[in-house]
Amino acid sequence: GNSVTQMEGPVTLSEEAFLTINCTYTATGYPSLFWYVQYPGEGLQLLLKATKADDKGSNKGFEATYRKETTSFHLEKGSVQVSDSAVYFCAPGFQKLVFGTGTRLLVSP
Amino acid sequence: DAGVTQSPTHLIKTRGQQVTLRCSPKSGHDTVSWYQQALGQGPQFIFQYYEEEERQRGNFPDRFSGHQFPNYSSELNVNALLLGDSALYLCASRSGTGSREQYFGPGTRLTVT
Repeated sequence: GNSVTQMEGPVTLSEEAFLTINCTYTATGYPSLFWYVQYPGEGLQLLLKATKADDKGSNKGFEATYRKETTSFHLEKGSVQVSDSAVYFCAPGFQKLVFGTGTRLLVSP
Repeated sequence: DAGVTQSPTHLIKTRGQQVTLRCSPKSGHDTVSWYQQALGQGPQFIFQYYEEEERQRGNFPDRFSGHQFPNYSSELNVNALLLGDSALYLCASRSGTGSREQYFGPGTRLTVT
């Protein structure tokens, strides 16, 4: 089955710093890849997606590229804001999504 | 356009009891999945319903069962509750024939005492 590995958190950054959250996965076939974000006490919000190799998903300044050769889908943002503080989940999947433990991001002013 | 809705928001039950959680999918979606998220963990897939049938199931015991209604809404039932069933239960919906994106509801926080 599919599995995903994300970098351990928390990731602590100052406002306007550059963000990278690493994600690698194992999967049979070529799953779609997703990044979800979870704010405290809430459900998951879809942040971005990519459905095939070399696709770049982007939303709200966040980007991630589907790298089939390295089975990776790293999340990046050029300048983080305090409001980006949340837990981020990388998830490969077809019918069902597989999640890791997530990466907590803390952004200070 | 209403997103995925779940009820109740919070629930407290005693060990051995039974619970039913409810989910209404996003407008235009016909496929519903349920996930369990323990504190500090990522969501774990429980099962998925499409056309009123369970299509896929994760590694959860038979105490976890579900149902999908003709209007695509769904219920998750858990029997003989254990302390370890305390978690956030998330419902996600998607179109069965369209995009693979799944949209999540706010979840139901279940506490078993």
